[in-house]
Amino acid sequence: DTGVSQDPRHKITKRGQNVTFRCDPISEHNRLYWYRQTLGQGPEFLTYFQNEAQLEKSRLLSDRFSAERPKGSFSTLEIQRTEQGDSAMYLCASSLGPGQIQYFGPGTRLLVL
Amino acid sequence: GENVEQHPSTLSVQEGDSAVIKCTYSDSASNYFPWYKQELGKRPQLIIDIRSNVGEKKDQRIAVTLNKTAKHFSLHITETQPEDSAVYFCAASRESGGGNKLTFGTGTQLKVEL
Repeated sequence: DTGVSQDPRHKITKRGQNVTFRCDPISEHNRLYWYRQTLGQGPEFLTYFQNEAQLEKSRLLSDRFSAERPKGSFSTLEIQRTEQGDSAMYLCASSLGPGQIQYFGPGTRLLVL
Repeated sequence: GENVEQHPSTLSVQEGDSAVIKCTYSDSASNYFPWYKQELGKRPQLIIDIRSNVGEKKDQRIAVTLNKTAKHFSLHITETQPEDSAVYFCAASRESGGGNKLTFGTGTQLKVEL
């Protein structure tokens, strides 16, 4: 499968726990984006990388959220001290470069109890 | 920042009819407008996109029109089929100072009835 992949697909956790999600972009895609989607809404931008550099973070991304793309390939999104309001679908997308089509992964559905 | 509004939120059509979904955006610097289709439980998939230097683009039964002056763009689906049933999202983005991050509308649930 040469598309964007994400792991895990589903995560159930208790409030206060830390969780980490992984995204593997399409090979040779320099840009990697993270979005969050809640039920009945469109995806909302969280952050993006150009290779290994994190170039922008949304105000939605509180201090509990951190994202990395250490070697410019896969990326991880960590949420510390999860809250019930963090329950959502976390989507990753990648593109070949600026202004190119963004291809989405299947998402990680997080449920915080 | 950019704000994208999308209408209608739900749309029901008979098979074979046309469907039109409309979006407006607020940032005049936005220059890229993709449309994504999302089936239940699946990833958003690009169905068509348009850039600000073009007024209209067509791909088989799907077309998108853009009015930069009015800051609105529309998706047109002709000869609808049951497999067109899904949620459709419009989005807007700009590269300069925007990183091409997508700002999405709230979605339109399209139902094509037999």
